[in-house]
Amino acid sequence: SAVISQKPSRDICQRGTSLTIQCQVDSQVTMMFWYRQQPGQSLTLIATANQGSEATYESGFVIDKFPISRPNLTFSTLTVSNMSPEDSSIYLCSARGTAYGYTFGSGTRLTVV
Amino acid sequence: LAKTTQPISMDSYEGQEVNITCSHNNIATNDYITWYQQFPSQGPRFIIQGYKTKVTNEVASLFIPADRKSSTLSLPRVSLSDTAVYYCLVGGPNTGNQFYFGTGTSLTVIP
Repeated sequence: SAVISQKPSRDICQRGTSLTIQCQVDSQVTMMFWYRQQPGQSLTLIATANQGSEATYESGFVIDKFPISRPNLTFSTLTVSNMSPEDSSIYLCSARGTAYGYTFGSGTRLTVV
Repeated sequence: LAKTTQPISMDSYEGQEVNITCSHNNIATNDYITWYQQFPSQGPRFIIQGYKTKVTNEVASLFIPADRKSSTLSLPRVSLSDTAVYYCLVGGPNTGNQFYFGTGTSLTVIP
């Protein structure tokens, strides 16, 4: 199945700044997904990123706050813009592996101070 | 969107079999049932997937009744390293292949 390298693994950022998270997949995948996970909570889907088209955002998430790029079939970035302490969370990317099983990156632990 | 319901938490002693049941009453015809395991500070890891009846792999079994409105993940002879959160998800082409996570079940294995 696909292997995903996600970076950075963690970061501490000042409020008002932006952070870009990168995910590299070791094989070509059609769809990639970005999730957010608050400590002790389940995962919440932010958006679906298809190559060659704009990302599709879930309710409560907007492109201005979480712009996503998908320049090719093995790479995607998520930017968390104009950060506030409420954005402190773990961000994970995912891609379809075999059949309907999905592989996840190891996550980016973001702390906004 | 098929919503899933699982117990919030479970405890089990080492060496016992653990069964975690998930309800998904609104599962669509083309939806698959997939279970993931997540350890702290890691992304979820695929465990097993099925459509109907029974599926078994090297780590778990998945039991799905004929009506597919529920499924049971069975972990044989659990060890301390099986302490994790287990998520049941349903999805497939009808949901655009997105997976929506429920609350998950926090399994604690006791020595």
